[in-house]
Amino acid sequence: GAGVSQSPSNKVTEKGKDVELRCDPISGHTALYWYRQSLGQGLEFLIYFQGNSAPDKSGLPSDRFSAERTGGSVSTLTIQRTQQEDSAVYLCASSSNGLNTEAFFGQGTRLTVV
Amino acid sequence: GQNIDQPTEMTATEGAIVQINCTYQTSGFNGLFWYQQHAGEAPTFLSYNVLDGLEEKGRFSSFLSRSKGYSYLLLKELQMKDSASYLCAVRGGGNKLTFGTGTQLKVEL
Repeated sequence: GAGVSQSPSNKVTEKGKDVELRCDPISGHTALYWYRQSLGQGLEFLIYFQGNSAPDKSGLPSDRFSAERTGGSVSTLTIQRTQQEDSAVYLCASSSNGLNTEAFFGQGTRLTVV
Repeated sequence: GQNIDQPTEMTATEGAIVQINCTYQTSGFNGLFWYQQHAGEAPTFLSYNVLDGLEEKGRFSSFLSRSKGYSYLLLKELQMKDSASYLCAVRGGGNKLTFGTGTQLKVEL
Protein backbone atom coordinates (compact mmCIF):
# COMPACT_ATOMS: atom_id res chain seq x y z
CA GLY A 1 0.00 0.00 0.00
CA ALA A 2 0.90 3.66 -0.06
CA GLY A 3 1.86 3.78 3.59
CA VAL A 4 1.91 1.73 6.77
CA SER A 5 -1.63 1.03 7.88
CA GLN A 6 -2.62 0.07 11.42
CA SER A 7 -5.97 -1.04 12.72
CA PRO A 8 -7.89 -0.31 14.75
CA SER A 9 -6.86 3.30 15.31
CA ASN A 10 -8.46 3.23 18.76
CA LYS A 11 -9.35 0.31 20.99
CA VAL A 12 -10.98 0.36 24.39
CA THR A 13 -11.07 -2.99 26.12
CA GLU A 14 -11.91 -4.35 29.54
CA LYS A 15 -9.17 -5.58 31.79
CA GLY A 16 -8.59 -9.31 31.28
CA LYS A 17 -9.74 -9.39 27.66
CA ASP A 18 -7.48 -10.26 24.72
CA VAL A 19 -6.77 -7.78 21.92
CA GLU A 20 -5.27 -8.05 18.46
CA LEU A 21 -3.55 -5.14 16.77
CA ARG A 22 -2.88 -5.26 13.06
CA CYS A 23 -0.12 -3.72 10.95
CA ASP A 24 -0.07 -3.67 7.17
CA PRO A 25 3.41 -2.54 6.05
CA ILE A 26 4.45 -0.82 2.85
CA SER A 27 4.46 -3.34 0.03
CA GLY A 28 7.87 -4.96 -0.41
CA HIS A 29 9.25 -3.88 2.95
CA THR A 30 11.00 -6.84 4.57
CA ALA A 31 11.59 -5.36 8.02
CA LEU A 32 8.68 -4.65 10.35
CA TYR A 33 8.90 -3.14 13.85
CA TRP A 34 6.53 -2.85 16.80
CA TYR A 35 6.97 -0.15 19.43
CA ARG A 36 4.95 0.99 22.42
CA GLN A 37 4.69 4.63 23.47
CA SER A 38 3.14 5.76 26.72
CA LEU A 39 2.00 9.38 27.11
CA GLY A 40 4.96 11.75 26.96
CA GLN A 41 7.46 8.91 26.72
CA GLY A 42 9.83 7.62 24.06
CA LEU A 43 9.41 4.60 21.83
CA GLU A 44 9.83 1.32 23.66
CA PHE A 45 11.04 -1.45 21.34
CA LEU A 46 8.89 -4.57 21.43
CA ILE A 47 9.84 -6.85 18.53
CA TYR A 48 10.99 -6.75 14.94
CA PHE A 49 10.58 -9.06 11.98
CA GLN A 50 12.86 -9.75 9.07
CA GLY A 51 10.54 -11.42 6.64
CA ASN A 52 8.41 -13.82 8.69
CA SER A 53 11.00 -14.48 11.38
CA ALA A 54 11.60 -12.44 14.51
CA PRO A 55 15.34 -12.16 15.24
CA ASP A 56 14.72 -10.07 18.36
CA LYS A 57 11.76 -10.47 20.69
CA SER A 58 13.60 -9.08 23.67
CA GLY A 59 11.31 -6.09 24.11
CA LEU A 60 8.09 -8.02 24.66
CA PRO A 61 7.14 -7.06 28.27
CA SER A 62 5.71 -10.43 29.31
CA ASP A 63 4.47 -13.72 27.96
CA ARG A 64 1.03 -12.12 27.54
CA PHE A 65 2.47 -10.38 24.47
CA SER A 66 3.05 -12.20 21.19
CA ALA A 67 3.40 -11.25 17.56
CA GLU A 68 3.43 -12.97 14.24
CA ARG A 69 3.92 -12.08 10.63
CA THR A 70 2.68 -14.10 7.73
CA GLY A 71 3.55 -14.00 4.03
CA GLY A 72 6.23 -11.41 4.75
CA SER A 73 3.49 -8.83 4.97
CA VAL A 74 0.79 -8.27 7.60
CA SER A 75 1.73 -8.55 11.26
CA THR A 76 -0.49 -9.03 14.30
CA LEU A 77 0.44 -8.09 17.86
CA THR A 78 -1.67 -9.95 20.40
CA ILE A 79 -2.00 -9.00 24.05
CA GLN A 80 -3.70 -11.59 26.24
CA ARG A 81 -5.44 -10.87 29.54
CA THR A 82 -4.89 -7.13 29.16
CA GLN A 83 -3.90 -5.05 32.18
CA GLN A 84 -4.28 -1.32 32.75
CA GLU A 85 -0.53 -0.81 32.37
CA ASP A 86 -0.84 -2.05 28.79
CA SER A 87 -2.62 1.20 27.91
CA ALA A 88 -0.43 3.03 25.38
CA VAL A 89 -0.08 3.82 21.70
CA TYR A 90 1.27 0.86 19.76
CA LEU A 91 3.25 1.95 16.71
CA CYS A 92 4.28 -0.17 13.77
CA ALA A 93 6.99 0.73 11.26
CA SER A 94 8.41 -0.93 8.18
CA SER A 95 11.52 -0.52 6.07
CA SER A 96 13.16 -2.13 3.09
CA ASN A 97 16.57 -3.76 3.31
CA GLY A 98 19.71 -1.72 2.89
CA LEU A 99 21.59 0.56 5.21
CA ASN A 100 20.23 4.02 4.41
CA THR A 101 16.61 3.05 4.37
CA GLU A 102 14.46 4.80 6.89
CA ALA A 103 11.56 3.21 8.70
CA PHE A 104 8.09 4.54 7.94
CA PHE A 105 5.54 4.63 10.73
CA GLY A 106 1.85 3.95 10.81
CA GLN A 107 -0.47 6.23 12.78
CA GLY A 108 -0.61 3.80 15.66
CA THR A 109 -3.30 2.08 17.68
CA ARG A 110 -4.30 3.81 20.89
CA LEU A 111 -5.14 1.07 23.38
CA THR A 112 -7.05 1.88 26.54
CA VAL A 113 -7.65 -0.84 29.11
CA VAL A 114 -10.43 -0.01 31.55
CA GLY B 1 22.47 -4.35 23.98
CA GLN B 2 21.86 -0.75 23.02
CA ASN B 3 21.83 2.40 25.13
CA ILE B 4 20.85 5.76 23.66
CA ASP B 5 20.90 9.02 25.63
CA GLN B 6 19.51 12.43 24.76
CA PRO B 7 18.40 15.41 26.85
CA THR B 8 14.79 15.28 27.98
CA GLU B 9 13.85 18.87 27.21
CA MET B 10 15.26 21.95 25.48
CA THR B 11 13.93 25.46 24.94
CA ALA B 12 15.03 27.84 22.19
CA THR B 13 13.93 31.11 20.63
CA GLU B 14 12.29 31.53 17.26
CA GLY B 15 14.91 32.34 14.62
CA ALA B 16 17.77 30.90 16.65
CA ILE B 17 19.86 27.73 16.22
CA VAL B 18 19.57 24.71 18.51
CA GLN B 19 21.72 21.58 18.78
CA ILE B 20 20.26 18.35 20.16
CA ASN B 21 22.87 15.79 21.22
CA CYS B 22 22.65 12.03 21.23
CA THR B 23 25.15 9.53 22.59
CA TYR B 24 24.87 5.82 22.03
CA GLN B 25 26.42 2.48 22.88
CA THR B 26 25.43 -0.38 20.63
CA SER B 27 26.41 -3.88 19.67
CA GLY B 28 26.86 -3.38 15.96
CA PHE B 29 26.18 -0.17 14.09
CA ASN B 30 24.38 0.23 10.79
CA GLY B 31 23.41 3.87 10.92
CA LEU B 32 21.84 6.58 13.04
CA PHE B 33 18.50 8.25 12.32
CA TRP B 34 16.76 11.36 13.56
CA TYR B 35 12.96 11.55 13.63
CA GLN B 36 10.55 14.34 14.48
CA GLN B 37 7.33 13.63 16.35
CA HIS B 38 4.58 16.17 16.94
CA ALA B 39 2.20 15.51 19.80
CA GLY B 40 -0.41 12.91 18.88
CA GLU B 41 1.26 12.05 15.58
CA ALA B 42 3.56 9.33 14.28
CA PRO B 43 7.32 9.96 14.01
CA THR B 44 8.56 11.23 10.65
CA PHE B 45 12.05 10.76 9.25
CA LEU B 46 14.46 13.71 9.26
CA SER B 47 17.97 12.46 8.57
CA TYR B 48 20.34 9.52 8.39
CA ASN B 49 24.10 9.18 9.05
CA VAL B 50 26.24 6.09 8.64
CA LEU B 51 29.63 7.69 7.94
CA ASP B 52 31.37 10.29 10.08
CA GLY B 53 30.62 13.87 9.24
CA LEU B 54 27.83 16.31 8.62
CA GLU B 55 24.72 15.75 6.49
CA GLU B 56 22.81 18.89 5.58
CA LYS B 57 19.18 19.07 4.55
CA GLY B 58 17.80 22.57 4.37
CA ARG B 59 17.36 23.96 7.89
CA PHE B 60 18.30 20.60 9.42
CA SER B 61 21.78 19.08 9.68
CA SER B 62 22.96 15.95 11.43
CA PHE B 63 26.46 15.02 12.52
CA LEU B 64 27.98 11.67 13.41
CA SER B 65 31.19 10.56 15.10
CA ARG B 66 31.27 6.77 15.23
CA SER B 67 34.45 6.62 17.33
CA LYS B 68 32.79 8.76 20.01
CA GLY B 69 29.34 7.20 19.74
CA TYR B 70 27.96 10.70 19.28
CA SER B 71 25.55 12.51 17.03
CA TYR B 72 23.78 15.83 17.00
CA LEU B 73 20.86 17.34 15.16
CA LEU B 74 21.20 21.02 14.31
CA LEU B 75 18.11 23.07 13.60
CA LYS B 76 18.61 26.55 12.11
CA GLU B 77 16.22 29.49 11.76
CA LEU B 78 13.87 27.96 14.28
CA GLN B 79 10.16 28.26 13.66
CA MET B 80 7.28 27.76 16.05
CA LYS B 81 6.24 24.66 14.10
CA ASP B 82 9.59 23.05 15.04
CA SER B 83 8.24 22.55 18.56
CA ALA B 84 8.15 18.77 18.76
CA SER B 85 9.95 15.75 20.14
CA TYR B 86 13.16 14.78 18.36
CA LEU B 87 14.08 11.11 18.48
CA CYS B 88 17.54 9.66 17.94
CA ALA B 89 17.52 6.05 16.71
CA VAL B 90 20.31 3.57 16.03
CA ARG B 91 20.17 0.62 13.67
CA GLY B 92 22.31 -1.98 15.34
CA GLY B 93 23.30 -5.47 14.33
CA GLY B 94 20.89 -7.05 11.91
CA ASN B 95 18.09 -4.62 11.24
CA LYS B 96 17.03 -3.77 14.80
CA LEU B 97 16.12 -0.10 15.20
CA THR B 98 16.26 1.26 18.76
CA PHE B 99 15.07 4.72 19.78
CA GLY B 100 16.18 7.05 22.52
CA THR B 101 13.59 8.57 24.81
CA GLY B 102 13.39 11.75 22.72
CA THR B 103 14.12 15.42 23.33
CA GLN B 104 11.10 17.68 23.71
CA LEU B 105 11.95 20.99 22.02
CA LYS B 106 9.94 24.07 22.82
CA VAL B 107 10.36 27.09 20.54
CA GLU B 108 9.39 30.40 22.11
CA LEU B 109 8.87 33.87 20.70
